[in-house]
Amino acid sequence: EAGVAQSPRYKIIEKRQSVAFWCNPISGHATLYWYQQILGQGPKLLIQFQNNGVVDDSQLPKDRFSAERLKGVDSTLKIQPAKLEDSAVYLCASSQWPSGAGDTEAFFGQGTRLTVV
Amino acid sequence: DAKTTQPTSMDCAEGRAANLPCNHSTISGNEYVYWYRQIHSQGPQYIIHGLKNNETNEMASLIITEDRKSSTLILPHATLRDTAVYYCIANNNDMRFGAGTRLTVKP
Repeated sequence: EAGVAQSPRYKIIEKRQSVAFWCNPISGHATLYWYQQILGQGPKLLIQFQNNGVVDDSQLPKDRFSAERLKGVDSTLKIQPAKLEDSAVYLCASSQWPSGAGDTEAFFGQGTRLTVV
Repeated sequence: DAKTTQPTSMDCAEGRAANLPCNHSTISGNEYVYWYRQIHSQGPQYIIHGLKNNETNEMASLIITEDRKSSTLILPHATLRDTAVYYCIANNNDMRFGAGTRLTVKP
């Protein structure tokens, strides 16, 4: 079974530039998550999709971050404009059922390491 | 979702059991306890989850207290490859991680 695919693996940009990350979840998984992980911290949930609808984006900095999941499969996360403090690993995860269903595990991709200089 | 509390770090000798505690005193009746771990430079990896009963799989055992306010993840024979950050989540509606416990398995 193929895992969660993310690209690119690494990205270096200058502050005020824009950047986009792509995630392909495991086939058939309805729920997709984006996380930001700053060095030395646990992953911070940015947004959760159920199919192509947003379930939770309360921690997404909406002035500069946006995410979409058209057709309920692949997803993109965009930052525009980037700030130095956005330097982090961006992780994508998927699960078969909504986390509210209780009995489901999430599978994570390898992440995209973003460096803003 | 219930907040979880874990020790910042723990050490374990190779070949011995590693017992990682988690406090989730505000857990509600329908919230599962999940454990994930993250090895350096990789995405988190699912280990085990449970609701009320103790659970065991090929990776670990999960012991949940009767009042469900705390749990312990047990790695029965820790190896150097088990060195990682271990996260406990009491989940109902989303997957929110805390800081986790950094487990170091020493030779």
